[in-house]
Amino acid sequence: GAGVSQSPSNKVTEKGKDVELRCDPISGHTALYWYRQRLGQGLEFLIYFQGNSAPDKSGLPSDRFSAERTGESVSTLTIQRTQQEDSAVYLCASSSWTVPGELFFGEGSRLTVL
Amino acid sequence: KNEVEQSPQNLTAQEGEFITINCSYSVGISALHWLQQHPGGGIVSLFMLSSGKKKHGRLIATINIQEKHSSLHITASHPRDSAVYICAPSKGGSEKLVFGKGTKLTVNP
Repeated sequence: GAGVSQSPSNKVTEKGKDVELRCDPISGHTALYWYRQRLGQGLEFLIYFQGNSAPDKSGLPSDRFSAERTGESVSTLTIQRTQQEDSAVYLCASSSWTVPGELFFGEGSRLTVL
Repeated sequence: KNEVEQSPQNLTAQEGEFITINCSYSVGISALHWLQQHPGGGIVSLFMLSSGKKKHGRLIATINIQEKHSSLHITASHPRDSAVYICAPSKGGSEKLVFGKGTKLTVNP
């Protein structure tokens, strides 16, 4: 696709349910990032994938959070047993080795945990 | 102390004014990004720089690695420049970005 695509754009769930958020990066981009932005707060790094290297998971806030990426394509962020404090916009970004460091962001997935 | 400090937090300007947003950081970095977040939430990468100065249209970004400081300048500001501008250094040897809290810019016509 032309840009980074995220789905769903909005998700409302009940506390305790599991959710999956999807990111489809720009074709050919080897790097993929997940960030979180809580209401009125700054961006927080969650996880970084680069090609076939082991992901940098150092930003994941708890073991309820996990993410996978198949090769250099789609990534899924999974939040298990959601809590109200998980409510946020989850942003995905991708970048390419050919233009290192230039990030392209998706529109985000807004998660509301009731 | 936050690793990234931006100033000012809020900035209101009249159309045509020259704008400067400052960013100071305490971490060792490999590069620094300036991002623009529009009121609807979409984020656009404006610059990634590791030294010197970059210019794109009316936007200019500078960085002084020794002083751990970067500035974003907007010349001839326009209401469509109204957004939150975010400074995000990339920690040395890592692609992991550390984000400032952002500067909310409002340009009035």
